[in-house]
This record gives sequence, structure tokens and C-alpha cells, in this order.
Amino acid sequence: EDKVVQSPLSLVVHEGDTVTLNCSYEVTNFRSLLWYKQEKKAPTFLFMLTSSGIEKKSGRLSSILDKKELSSILNITATQTGDSAIYLCAGFNAGNMLTFGGGTRLMVKP
Amino acid sequence: KAGVTQTPRYLIKTRGQQVTLSCSPISGHRSVSWYQQTPGQGLQFLFEYFSETQRNKGNFPGRFSGRQFSNSRSEMNVSTLELGDSALYLCASSLAAGFPTYEQYFGPGTRLTVT
Repeated sequence: EDKVVQSPLSLVVHEGDTVTLNCSYEVTNFRSLLWYKQEKKAPTFLFMLTSSGIEKKSGRLSSILDKKELSSILNITATQTGDSAIYLCAGFNAGNMLTFGGGTRLMVKP
Repeated sequence: KAGVTQTPRYLIKTRGQQVTLSCSPISGHRSVSWYQQTPGQGLQFLFEYFSETQRNKGNFPGRFSGRQFSNSRSEMNVSTLELGDSALYLCASSLAAGFPTYEQYFGPGTRLTVT
């Protein structure tokens, strides 16, 4: 059974701080790793990572995959209160199934 | 472009009843996946439909079923509701099923409460 674990479970930082969220996976026939941000209801897509060592960036957010270590990190620099959310990572296998981690709840204080 | 829509947004049912939830994907998207989200278990995959065919099913009992219509709209049904079925049910659509086009867009969810 595929498994995805995220750490920390929750995090409280102040605006301007940089945070690193971790995701480790055990996914049979791994194809890709996806990151989502969930604020109120619907998770919104952030990144899809397929190749090890290649960083994906979008503004202050960036993510990288390490296939050797079976892990990924999501970095957020210069955090803002609008970054407060639950961040989810998910592993996608060759059977076209996504397995989600439990999420990291990030709170950014002004 | 309109996003993924789900109806109803909120639902209260009694144990033993059955419920049907609806999902309309983004126009042009042919794949619809369903997820159950609870505080204890997180986001869990229910099933995925592509071109009216169920391609994958997660580890849920047979009381959970679904279907997809020719216009890609999808419904999921839960029969003989149990208290533990109380959850946020999310559907997500994507252009096609499978790597590398698996960029899913989620709907707002249906909050089901079973009493």
C-alpha cells in the first residue's frame, strides 16, 4: 500500500520568515509527486515534480524532488499571512492513483 | 472558464439512508476523481472515471459507487449511510487520466453530515 508522510504536522511562523515543508513517500511504481494548497475547501494545485533534482518555482514558492531519498520539500520564502493554509503532497503511481499525505498546517502571523 | 462545480454543497442525512452527490468537471476535462476528506484519515481516493469508465477504485466498501455520463459529469452514491461517512467529499477533474497530464483541479466539495 502506498504511503505519504508529511512533516511537521503544523507550523506557526511570522511574516517574512522562510519555511520548509517535508514530504516523504513510499509509492510503488512512482510517477510523480504533487503539491497542493488547501485554504477553505478545494485544494489548489501548486507543483508536479517528476525528475529528481530539478527545482520548480512559482513566485516565493519552490519545490524539489529527491528520488534517491524518496522525498520532496516545499519552500516558501518571505511568508505572508495569505500563505496560511494546509499544504498537501501526494504521490502518483503508475496505476494512476494519488495517495495524499496528512498535510502540514501552516499559520503565518502578522 | 468555469471551475469544477459540486452539488449540493451541504447535506444532512440519517443513518441507513442513501445519498447521491454530483460533480461537473471543467469544460473539456474528461477525467473525474472522487476523494473523501476527514480529520482523522485525511484525503483518501475513492475512484476515478474517464470516458464513462471507472479506471481506479480506492479501498472503500461497495456501499460507495459512482458513474460518469457522456458529458463527463459524474455522480457518486453512498448507500446505507453510517456515521463514519460524515466527511467532505471532493471531486477533481483533469484533461485526461494519467501521467503526465495529471494536473487535477478540485471542486469546493460537498459536506455530508450523517446523524
